Amino acid sequence: DAGVTQSPTHLIKTRGQQVTLRCSPKSGHDTVSWYQQALGQGPQFIFQYYEEEERQRGNFPDRFSGHQFPNYSSELNVNALLLGDSALYLCASSAYSQGNQPQHFGDGTRLSIL
Amino acid sequence: GENVEQHPSTLSVQEGDSAVIKCTYSDSASNYFPWYKQELGKGPQLIIDIRSNVGEKKDQRIAVTLNKTAKHFSLHITETQPEDSAVYFCAASRGNTGFQKLVFGTGTRLLVSP
Repeated sequence: DAGVTQSPTHLIKTRGQQVTLRCSPKSGHDTVSWYQQALGQGPQFIFQYYEEEERQRGNFPDRFSGHQFPNYSSELNVNALLLGDSALYLCASSAYSQGNQPQHFGDGTRLSIL
Repeated sequence: GENVEQHPSTLSVQEGDSAVIKCTYSDSASNYFPWYKQELGKGPQLIIDIRSNVGEKKDQRIAVTLNKTAKHFSLHITETQPEDSAVYFCAASRGNTGFQKLVFGTGTRLLVSP
């Protein structure tokens, strides 16, 4: 049973560029959340998708956007990259129909901005 | 908004000793409290969780306690082993639907020496 998978594992970009990160949820899960984890910090909630719609959003600018596909996979897009966007981006999945259930995380995408 | 504080930031113990990590939360409506273990280069892995209708939960060497009145919860690891060395995060969320927004603490680096 595959867990949450994310791609790519590492990415290097320059300031001003745009980036797309991808996530496939754990089998049986239909809700995807994205978190940003700066070095030495806890993950911070970016947003959450269910039924292809953004359901909740954290305190992140509009440069951060997302999408969820009919197969429940998701993308995180970041435009006009800043040096401060360098972080580990984590995807977590859960099953909405099961109520308040644990979120399972992937191993993340390490994004470095030069 | 919700804030979760976690202490200590680092914890060094000898193999076989017990380790305790403490967290406090600010939102009295929080009702779900998971603990995650993050190893180097990996995403957070759920190790135990507790809901607000329970005061204590145990799973082999790991236990979590919750004091709703004081708004704090703790992770207890007994008979620590070198493989327990990792960064541990507490988190809190509110609500009873599948839409969870986890708020994380800043993490505790646990080092278990043989």
